[in-house]
Amino acid sequence: RKEVEQDPGPFNVPEGATVAFNCTYSNSASQSFFWYRQDCRKEPKLLMSVYSSGNEDGRFTAQLNRASQYISLLIRDSKLSDSATYLCVVNSLFFSSGSARQLTFGSGTQLTVLP
Amino acid sequence: IAGITQAPTSQILAAGRRMTLRCTQDMRHNAMYWYRQDLGLGLRLIHYSNTAGTTGKGEVPDGYSVSRANTDDFPLTLASAVPSQTSVYFCASSDAAGVGHNEQFFGPGTRLTVL
Repeated sequence: RKEVEQDPGPFNVPEGATVAFNCTYSNSASQSFFWYRQDCRKEPKLLMSVYSSGNEDGRFTAQLNRASQYISLLIRDSKLSDSATYLCVVNSLFFSSGSARQLTFGSGTQLTVLP
Repeated sequence: IAGITQAPTSQILAAGRRMTLRCTQDMRHNAMYWYRQDLGLGLRLIHYSNTAGTTGKGEVPDGYSVSRANTDDFPLTLASAVPSQTSVYFCASSDAAGVGHNEQFFGPGTRLTVL
């Protein structure tokens, strides 16, 4: 089982729509959670962190459910410029050291916002 | 230089050849990372360095080596390239490693094809 799993999509939605992405993680010891955005053929960039109480940044809302090991990202009023791949990222115990914590990336959910 | 740069942008390489991918950052970040990104698999960590002079193995280190002689540079070497190393390679850096999250900043990537 992958440590971080996402629905790959693609999600094709009209401008102005609300779209939600989900992500599950397998390591219950994971401490912090993020969404990164990656445009086509570009590098990933941090979109937002995900806090236990849920957090909002403009049109973007992130939620965390530790009991279910589930993370979500909600985008309201979608814009054409939101078209990208959204990567769910978990900060968890590093593979070989067992002490240092590193980021584990999901394989991403592709979003296309249509005019 | 502003941020993190990688070279070359792309490369086609014959199997068996040696190749070094270059990565340089000017943000004085302690930690640096090399990832490969393959369709459906997401970003996978190859090697990392928590500080100059130290390196460690990630999830998929076989066939790759790294060095960290100074803070700014973190080259990745393929000693004898094989077709399965065809991928997009991203270098990243962050302010610190270990517990807690420090945003990782990514370079623009190197597209490598091994024939």
